[in-house]
Amino acid sequence: EVQLLESGGGLVQPGGSLRLSCAASGYSFRSYAMSWVRQAPGKGLEWVSAIGDNGRSTYYADSVKGRFTISRDNSKNTLYLEMSSLRAEDTALYFCARGGDYEPFHLWGQGTMVAVSS
Amino acid sequence: AIQLTQSPSFLSASVGDRVNITCRTSQGIYSALAWYQQKPGKSPNLLIYDASTLESGVPSRFTGSGSGTHFTLTISSLQPEDFATYYCQQFHLYPPITFGQGTRLEIK
Repeated sequence: EVQLLESGGGLVQPGGSLRLSCAASGYSFRSYAMSWVRQAPGKGLEWVSAIGDNGRSTYYADSVKGRFTISRDNSKNTLYLEMSSLRAEDTALYFCARGGDYEPFHLWGQGTMVAVSS
Repeated sequence: AIQLTQSPSFLSASVGDRVNITCRTSQGIYSALAWYQQKPGKSPNLLIYDASTLESGVPSRFTGSGSGTHFTLTISSLQPEDFATYYCQQFHLYPPITFGQGTRLEIK
Protein backbone atom coordinates (compact mmCIF):
# COMPACT_ATOMS: atom_id res chain seq x y z
CA GLU A 1 0.00 0.00 0.00
CA VAL A 2 1.25 3.45 -0.90
CA GLN A 3 1.35 5.52 2.27
CA LEU A 4 3.09 8.13 4.38
CA LEU A 5 3.22 7.80 8.16
CA GLU A 6 4.29 10.73 10.33
CA SER A 7 5.57 10.49 13.88
CA GLY A 8 7.40 12.56 16.46
CA GLY A 9 4.81 15.16 17.39
CA GLY A 10 4.07 16.16 20.96
CA LEU A 11 3.92 18.92 23.54
CA VAL A 12 7.00 21.12 23.77
CA GLN A 13 7.78 24.34 25.62
CA PRO A 14 8.43 27.59 23.77
CA GLY A 15 12.03 27.69 22.64
CA GLY A 16 12.23 23.91 22.57
CA SER A 17 13.02 21.47 19.78
CA LEU A 18 11.36 18.51 18.14
CA ARG A 19 12.09 16.19 15.24
CA LEU A 20 9.31 14.90 13.03
CA SER A 21 9.66 11.83 10.85
CA CYS A 22 7.67 10.61 7.87
CA ALA A 23 8.06 7.00 6.74
CA ALA A 24 7.14 6.30 3.14
CA SER A 25 6.15 2.92 1.76
CA GLY A 26 4.72 1.39 -1.38
CA TYR A 27 6.51 3.56 -3.93
CA SER A 28 9.98 4.70 -4.98
CA PHE A 29 10.63 7.30 -2.29
CA ARG A 30 13.89 8.46 -3.85
CA SER A 31 12.11 9.49 -7.07
CA TYR A 32 9.95 12.25 -5.58
CA ALA A 33 10.31 15.60 -3.91
CA MET A 34 8.71 15.78 -0.48
CA SER A 35 7.16 18.54 1.59
CA TRP A 36 5.84 19.40 5.02
CA VAL A 37 2.51 21.24 5.26
CA ARG A 38 0.93 22.33 8.52
CA GLN A 39 -2.52 23.28 9.70
CA ALA A 40 -3.08 25.27 12.88
CA PRO A 41 -6.24 24.34 14.80
CA GLY A 42 -9.28 25.57 12.90
CA LYS A 43 -7.14 27.21 10.20
CA GLY A 44 -6.14 26.57 6.61
CA LEU A 45 -3.17 24.82 5.05
CA GLU A 46 0.30 26.35 5.19
CA TRP A 47 3.26 24.98 3.27
CA VAL A 48 6.32 24.76 5.53
CA SER A 49 9.22 23.23 3.60
CA ALA A 50 10.19 21.12 0.60
CA ILE A 51 13.16 18.99 -0.40
CA GLY A 52 14.22 17.68 -3.79
CA ASP A 53 14.36 13.98 -4.59
CA ASN A 54 18.09 13.71 -3.94
CA GLY A 55 18.05 15.98 -0.90
CA ARG A 56 20.32 18.63 -2.37
CA SER A 57 17.67 21.32 -2.80
CA THR A 58 15.72 22.59 0.20
CA TYR A 59 13.13 25.36 0.52
CA TYR A 60 11.41 27.00 3.46
CA ALA A 61 8.53 29.30 4.25
CA ASP A 62 9.71 32.61 5.68
CA SER A 63 7.89 31.81 8.91
CA VAL A 64 10.23 28.89 9.67
CA LYS A 65 13.43 29.82 7.85
CA GLY A 66 16.44 29.56 10.13
CA ARG A 67 14.53 27.52 12.72
CA PHE A 68 13.43 24.39 10.82
CA THR A 69 15.57 21.99 8.78
CA ILE A 70 14.19 19.49 6.30
CA SER A 71 16.17 16.41 5.36
CA ARG A 72 15.66 12.93 3.99
CA ASP A 73 17.31 9.52 4.10
CA ASN A 74 16.52 7.72 0.86
CA SER A 75 18.08 4.50 2.18
CA LYS A 76 15.46 4.50 4.94
CA ASN A 77 12.58 5.94 2.89
CA THR A 78 12.18 8.61 5.54
CA LEU A 79 11.64 12.36 5.56
CA TYR A 80 12.52 14.52 8.56
CA LEU A 81 11.76 17.95 9.92
CA GLU A 82 14.02 19.27 12.67
CA MET A 83 12.26 22.09 14.49
CA SER A 84 14.00 24.40 16.93
CA SER A 85 13.25 27.69 18.69
CA LEU A 86 9.61 26.64 18.63
CA ARG A 87 6.94 29.28 19.16
CA ALA A 88 3.28 29.12 20.13
CA GLU A 89 2.37 29.94 16.53
CA ASP A 90 4.07 26.72 15.38
CA THR A 91 1.29 24.76 17.07
CA ALA A 92 -0.33 22.75 14.29
CA LEU A 93 -0.99 19.41 12.72
CA TYR A 94 2.02 18.66 10.53
CA PHE A 95 1.48 16.65 7.36
CA CYS A 96 4.14 15.22 5.12
CA ALA A 97 3.19 15.14 1.47
CA ARG A 98 4.68 13.76 -1.72
CA GLY A 99 5.35 16.58 -4.10
CA GLY A 100 6.49 20.16 -4.01
CA ASP A 101 9.01 20.40 -6.83
CA TYR A 102 6.59 22.08 -9.24
CA GLU A 103 4.23 19.18 -8.55
CA PRO A 104 0.98 19.05 -6.59
CA PHE A 105 0.64 16.90 -3.51
CA HIS A 106 -0.66 13.57 -4.74
CA LEU A 107 -0.12 11.74 -1.45
CA TRP A 108 -0.50 12.89 2.16
CA GLY A 109 0.16 11.37 5.54
CA GLN A 110 -2.36 11.45 8.37
CA GLY A 111 -0.47 14.14 10.26
CA THR A 112 1.29 14.47 13.60
CA MET A 113 0.30 17.13 16.13
CA VAL A 114 2.80 19.61 17.54
CA ALA A 115 1.72 21.77 20.47
CA VAL A 116 3.99 24.53 21.75
CA SER A 117 2.98 25.68 25.20
CA SER A 118 4.38 26.29 28.66
CA ALA B 1 4.68 35.31 -2.96
CA ILE B 2 1.68 34.50 -5.11
CA GLN B 3 -1.56 35.13 -3.21
CA LEU B 4 -4.60 32.92 -3.78
CA THR B 5 -8.09 34.18 -2.99
CA GLN B 6 -10.99 31.75 -2.94
CA SER B 7 -14.63 32.69 -3.14
CA PRO B 8 -16.89 32.17 -1.46
CA SER B 9 -15.30 31.34 1.88
CA PHE B 10 -18.49 29.61 2.95
CA LEU B 11 -21.13 27.94 0.83
CA SER B 12 -24.40 26.33 1.83
CA ALA B 13 -25.95 23.99 -0.72
CA SER B 14 -28.23 20.98 -1.07
CA VAL B 15 -27.65 17.45 -2.34
CA GLY B 16 -28.00 17.49 -6.12
CA ASP B 17 -26.98 21.15 -6.49
CA ARG B 18 -24.30 22.33 -8.89
CA VAL B 19 -21.71 24.49 -7.16
CA ASN B 20 -18.76 26.57 -8.27
CA ILE B 21 -15.78 27.62 -6.21
CA THR B 22 -13.39 30.15 -7.66
CA CYS B 23 -9.72 30.79 -7.01
CA ARG B 24 -7.97 33.93 -8.18
CA THR B 25 -4.20 34.31 -8.09
CA SER B 26 -2.24 37.54 -7.67
CA GLN B 27 -0.20 36.79 -10.79
CA GLY B 28 -0.47 34.42 -13.71
CA ILE B 29 0.39 30.79 -13.05
CA TYR B 30 -0.53 29.24 -16.42
CA SER B 31 -2.30 26.02 -15.37
CA ALA B 32 -0.20 25.17 -12.31
CA LEU B 33 -3.15 24.92 -9.95
CA ALA B 34 -4.51 22.09 -7.84
CA TRP B 35 -7.70 21.57 -5.85
CA TYR B 36 -7.93 19.59 -2.62
CA GLN B 37 -10.81 18.35 -0.50
CA GLN B 38 -10.42 18.04 3.25
CA LYS B 39 -12.91 16.48 5.63
CA PRO B 40 -12.78 17.14 9.39
CA GLY B 41 -9.98 15.24 11.10
CA LYS B 42 -8.58 13.98 7.81
CA SER B 43 -5.68 14.88 5.56
CA PRO B 44 -6.34 16.75 2.32
CA ASN B 45 -7.12 14.74 -0.79
CA LEU B 46 -6.04 15.85 -4.27
CA LEU B 47 -8.99 16.25 -6.64
CA ILE B 48 -7.71 18.20 -9.64
CA TYR B 49 -4.24 19.23 -10.82
CA ASP B 50 -2.90 21.19 -13.76
CA ALA B 51 -6.14 23.16 -13.40
CA SER B 52 -8.33 20.57 -15.11
CA THR B 53 -6.82 17.07 -14.80
CA LEU B 54 -8.87 14.75 -12.62
CA GLU B 55 -6.82 12.78 -10.13
CA SER B 56 -7.18 9.01 -10.43
CA GLY B 57 -10.12 7.70 -8.42
CA VAL B 58 -11.88 11.05 -8.09
CA PRO B 59 -15.51 11.06 -9.29
CA SER B 60 -16.20 12.74 -12.60
CA ARG B 61 -18.70 15.15 -11.04
CA PHE B 62 -15.63 17.19 -10.05
CA THR B 63 -14.24 19.36 -12.84
CA GLY B 64 -11.66 22.10 -12.92
CA SER B 65 -11.23 24.92 -15.39
CA GLY B 66 -9.31 28.12 -15.94
CA SER B 67 -5.81 29.35 -16.57
CA GLY B 68 -3.74 32.41 -15.87
CA THR B 69 -5.25 34.02 -12.78
CA HIS B 70 -8.83 32.73 -12.66
CA PHE B 71 -9.77 29.15 -11.85
CA THR B 72 -12.97 27.31 -10.99
CA LEU B 73 -13.81 24.03 -9.29
CA THR B 74 -17.26 22.76 -10.23
CA ILE B 75 -19.18 19.96 -8.55
CA SER B 76 -21.94 19.03 -10.96
CA SER B 77 -24.34 17.29 -8.57
CA LEU B 78 -23.51 17.43 -4.88
CA GLN B 79 -23.43 14.18 -3.00
CA PRO B 80 -23.57 13.85 0.82
CA GLU B 81 -19.89 12.92 0.94
CA ASP B 82 -18.90 16.16 -0.84
CA PHE B 83 -19.58 18.39 2.14
CA ALA B 84 -16.08 19.39 3.19
CA THR B 85 -13.56 22.21 2.90
CA TYR B 86 -11.89 22.84 -0.45
CA TYR B 87 -8.51 24.47 -1.05
CA CYS B 88 -6.75 25.65 -4.17
CA GLN B 89 -2.96 25.61 -4.37
CA GLN B 90 -0.45 26.99 -6.87
CA PHE B 91 2.75 25.20 -7.79
CA HIS B 92 3.98 27.46 -10.56
CA LEU B 93 6.36 29.61 -8.57
CA TYR B 94 7.96 28.74 -5.29
CA PRO B 95 9.06 29.13 -2.64
CA PRO B 96 6.60 29.59 -1.20
CA ILE B 97 4.00 27.10 -2.35
CA THR B 98 0.73 28.82 -1.49
CA PHE B 99 -2.82 27.77 -0.74
CA GLY B 100 -6.10 29.60 -0.85
CA GLN B 101 -7.82 30.28 2.47
CA GLY B 102 -10.35 27.52 1.91
CA THR B 103 -14.05 27.22 1.06
CA ARG B 104 -16.25 25.45 3.55
CA LEU B 105 -19.15 23.68 1.85
CA GLU B 106 -22.03 22.80 4.15
CA ILE B 107 -25.41 21.17 3.77
CA LYS B 108 -28.33 23.58 3.49
